[in-house]
Amino acid sequence: DTGVSQDPRHKITKRGQNVTFRCDPISEHNRLYWYRQTLGQGPEFLTYFQNEAQLEKSRLLSDRFSAERPKGSFSTLEIQRTEQGDSAMYLCASSVRGLYDGYTFGSGTRLTVV
Amino acid sequence: AQSVTQLDSQVPVFEEAPVELRCNYSSSVSVYLFWYVQYPNQGLQLLLKYLSGSTLVKGINGFEAEFNKSQTSFHLRKPSVHISDTAEYFCAVGQQGAQKLVFGQGTRLTINP
Repeated sequence: DTGVSQDPRHKITKRGQNVTFRCDPISEHNRLYWYRQTLGQGPEFLTYFQNEAQLEKSRLLSDRFSAERPKGSFSTLEIQRTEQGDSAMYLCASSVRGLYDGYTFGSGTRLTVV
Repeated sequence: AQSVTQLDSQVPVFEEAPVELRCNYSSSVSVYLFWYVQYPNQGLQLLLKYLSGSTLVKGINGFEAEFNKSQTSFHLRKPSVHISDTAEYFCAVGQQGAQKLVFGQGTRLTINP
């Protein structure tokens, strides 16, 4: 069990550029979640995958955001045409039995849009 | 819709003193309740969870929490804190049968020597 890995840890990008983040969940975890955490706030739910199927998306996930989990293992979160308001920590979590287990979170990717 | 209110944004305490971090939630359905801890520049670590049964839940690092259904509260306690407990603490609620968690805004616990 190597934990949930996220890459990169930090990303600075110019407004208008596209960025992509990667999450590698714990290998036997079939459920994967993305959350966004802005400064001084608690994490907010973005989306949820069970295996490769994206089963739930928040209204926070605008058209500029897309998430995939093509083979039911790692996941990517892409933000197109970044805006300054996208600056946040993007957290990935995984689980076997969902809320019953609680999640295991990764260390996050901190995005700064300048 | 569910919501979580953490009543204190910051709590300063002296080392070896007891501490209570307060959390109230609102939900019209049965819920699971969680406390997570976040150290600087890190992700969240699960401290403890309430699923059902005994209302007093014990977690890691000497923390415990009590579920009070009538007051819709899930306060976190530790009888004696250490410098290493300095961190941000988040209360979260999830609907039974659902997947997502709703988090409070966090309480920053600062331990003074």
